[in-house]
Amino acid sequence: SAVISQKPSRDICQRGTSLTIQCQVDSQVTMMFWYRQQPGQSLTLIATANQGSEATYESGFVIDKFPISRPNLTFSTLTVSNMSPEDSSIYLCSVWASGSGQYFGPGTRLLVL
Amino acid sequence: AQKVTQAQTEISVVEKEDVTLDCVYETRDTTYYLFWYKQPPSGELVFLIRRNSFDEQNEISGRYSWNFQKSTSSFNFTITASQVVDSAVYFCALSGANAGNMLTFGGGTRLMVKP
Repeated sequence: SAVISQKPSRDICQRGTSLTIQCQVDSQVTMMFWYRQQPGQSLTLIATANQGSEATYESGFVIDKFPISRPNLTFSTLTVSNMSPEDSSIYLCSVWASGSGQYFGPGTRLLVL
Repeated sequence: AQKVTQAQTEISVVEKEDVTLDCVYETRDTTYYLFWYKQPPSGELVFLIRRNSFDEQNEISGRYSWNFQKSTSSFNFTITASQVVDSAVYFCALSGANAGNMLTFGGGTRLMVKP
């Protein structure tokens, strides 16, 4: 398994500002993923972040809005830029632990006013 | 394209009842993984099980059991003798071998266990 931590755990932000979410894993992993869970909804993949290459974004998500960094094999950041109330969601990072499964961080609860 | 359908949006049972959560999936991959996750009110996503598409054996873990039927593309989850602490949203998810390990989630089933 993998132990994943995220910072911040929650935040309340003003419209038009940006928030950077950090994800730290206790072991080296090749692939990290960022998901969004809007209120009362299921999870949707934002992007896949591999170390040493640009993140790959899913349809409906763009780098200008959700820039991602992956500086090493245990860390990644997701920035939610120029926020609007529609960005209010839980943002979760996850990793694929070879041989066992896909594990998720505790999530970052974001409320945009 | 991959798709996961959880037709039951909400289920309510009384404690000690057995309950089955349905999951039907679609994929063109011949190798894939199926998952179940639990999301309690606190919001974290708890990994319950991963099943490889080549392994159709049913699995039992305590009060939890999973029935994988490749012929009907289903991966159902049964909780025996439900407890109030089982109240949560349960997600079924699919990862195809050619999908780079990304997960496609079903819509989730909210399970409410009443005392």
